[in-house]
Amino acid sequence: AQSVTQPDIHITVSEGASLELRCNYSYGATPYLFWYVQSPGQGLQLLLKYFSGDTLVQGIKGFEAEFKRSQSSFNLRKPSVHWSDAAEYFCAVGARNFNKFYFGSGTKLNVKP
Amino acid sequence: DADVTQTPRNRITKTGKRIMLECSQTKGHDRMYWYRQDPGLGLRLIYYSFDVKDINKGEISDGYSVSRQAQAKFSLSLESAIPNQTALYFCATSDKTGHATDTQYFGPGTRLTVL
Repeated sequence: AQSVTQPDIHITVSEGASLELRCNYSYGATPYLFWYVQSPGQGLQLLLKYFSGDTLVQGIKGFEAEFKRSQSSFNLRKPSVHWSDAAEYFCAVGARNFNKFYFGSGTKLNVKP
Repeated sequence: DADVTQTPRNRITKTGKRIMLECSQTKGHDRMYWYRQDPGLGLRLIYYSFDVKDINKGEISDGYSVSRQAQAKFSLSLESAIPNQTALYFCATSDKTGHATDTQYFGPGTRLTVL
């Protein structure tokens, strides 16, 4: 069965520190992979996506993610976190014909001054 | 103006009442979706529509129905609301591209409370 796991419910990092948010998926074929961010009281905004090609993808706001097929992972990274990055982050996996599309349970990021 | 709008933004209702949540979009997208968000569960797909005549059940469609009145409008109904349908509901849209699964653009959400 398809699933998405975000093992960290909450993460706290200091402003300026690096960040990595983990995402593992279970899917029988090559999936489409997404990271979304949800600021408090807002809808979800796409940070980046992977469909094919280069396994390191760049997104908005200085985020990047790397698709590792051998580890079934699509971790989100940022070299230096800003206070405005405090939000909830969701990883999502989609089948290529959209018969399945799943979100992870989310990771809440707190940023310490 | 926002590209994807949802009305109402907040709603409190009682068990057994019929509720309709509305979604409108100005992005010109063919595809529209309804999700619910519960703490610790992320977003779960309720229904999706690839065009006006194509409506499909998602992961958790029981207790819900939808209507695609036009390309720009997609409504979600709870025929007889129950307390465990208390959640944050999101509408989303996506364009018809070469990828059947493509970027989705989300509305601001509707917070529904069923007492």
